Amino acid sequence: DAKTTQPPSMDCAEGRAANLPCNHSTISGNEYVYWYRQIHSQGPQYIIHGLKNNETNEMASLIITEDRKSSTLILPHATLRDTAVYYCIVRPSTYGGATNKLIFGTGTLLAVQP
Amino acid sequence: DTGVSQDPRHKITKRGQNVTFRCDPISEHNRLYWYRQTLGQGPEFLTYFQNEAQLEKSRLLSDRFSAERPKGSFSTLEIQRTEQGDSAMYLCASSLPPGGGWNTDTQYFGPGTRLTVL
Repeated sequence: DAKTTQPPSMDCAEGRAANLPCNHSTISGNEYVYWYRQIHSQGPQYIIHGLKNNETNEMASLIITEDRKSSTLILPHATLRDTAVYYCIVRPSTYGGATNKLIFGTGTLLAVQP
Repeated sequence: DTGVSQDPRHKITKRGQNVTFRCDPISEHNRLYWYRQTLGQGPEFLTYFQNEAQLEKSRLLSDRFSAERPKGSFSTLEIQRTEQGDSAMYLCASSLPPGGGWNTDTQYFGPGTRLTVL
């Protein structure tokens, strides 16, 4: 089962920052927060991930609260092409290179309005 | 384009027929995953390969489903005797193993194959 809670939908005006919240109150110390998005009829696209510290890349910023129980994905200047379902996923780290599957919830549908 | 590719992108078949999908991972990615996504839901894990070895299978992968990765490069997913409930998007993802110590791998997805069973 997904370990995260996200609002089912959000709206954002084009050109404004989109702030997508995620609650992961049961996260444990070795678990990462990952964000993916899925534009209609396409495969999921990796956005960003983090463990404790805030992270930024060319697509977005990830802000993780100090207690790590919630996080926010920030798209600084949303465009119409950012309209998608955004998934917040908590993944345990594994030692020695073992892998683990992604467990998706139903995500947040972000609608960017012109 | 050096991303994950999947073929075909769309497949329409009649109930009872067999279908096979192909996934080509990102070059040098030795890990390969299959997921299935039905309408309105997030993707669900089906199976995972590291090189040619199939290391994990979901209970969703019934005995009508079989996946292979014979040379540790491309992978195929076959569904035998398709049922209408098999209609879904089938997604493939690949990744490199993470570095040493406690870490995770980042999976990159292909465009998916949309299967419709009539």
